[in-house]
Amino acid sequence: DQQVKQNSPSLSVQEGRISILNCDYTNSMFDYFLWYKKYPAEGPTFLISISSIKDKNEDGRFTVFLNKSAKHLSLHIVPSQPGDSAVYFCAASAKGGGNKLTFGTGTQLKVEL
Amino acid sequence: EAGVTQFPSHSVIEKGQTVTLRCDPISGHDNLYWYRRVMGKEIKFLLHFVKESKQDESGMPNNRFLAERTGGTYSTLKVQPAELEDSGVYFCASSNPLSAHYEQYFGPGTRLTVT
Repeated sequence: DQQVKQNSPSLSVQEGRISILNCDYTNSMFDYFLWYKKYPAEGPTFLISISSIKDKNEDGRFTVFLNKSAKHLSLHIVPSQPGDSAVYFCAASAKGGGNKLTFGTGTQLKVEL
Repeated sequence: EAGVTQFPSHSVIEKGQTVTLRCDPISGHDNLYWYRRVMGKEIKFLLHFVKESKQDESGMPNNRFLAERTGGTYSTLKVQPAELEDSGVYFCASSNPLSAHYEQYFGPGTRLTVT
């Protein structure tokens, strides 16, 4: 039973354009959401997060949007750069859950020149 | 500041053998987590230590897996005896409960291959 879903295994975008990565969740107890970026042979690196009391959080080129009623969040990267090419994982944490993270399966982003 | 380190980076063992993975968290991080990613699927939670105590081990697959964190510093994860389905990448993460509460810092992982 996968509680965090990333339905697009891959995404290809041209340099300079916007990348939109999507994530859906089923557990209503999740109250904090994170995006991690992963390069090959490295561990996931924290990118940006959002609390369930907000609907948007922005950090430079990265913006995360949360739609609680739809149980959906998205990560926008604009403008996309070749160095953004990586696997992006959506993760969620539930209050009282000890901060353990529940991850999606990841989306491979490729930013082309 | 040194990041989370894991050893070995890669281990190939035969079915039935024993393997021990080690994780050194960021200094001062009381929270330590083990996760596993199998065959390109999602990264799954295994267990959570707070200092030397197991806070949550609900993700441990079975009793062939034993995790320890003696002294509340580094942690080991032992698989005995290993089975084919144990193959995957084992990640360790740590966090400081006094800072960004949910932000966990991950190590590079140990790729375990059971043949």
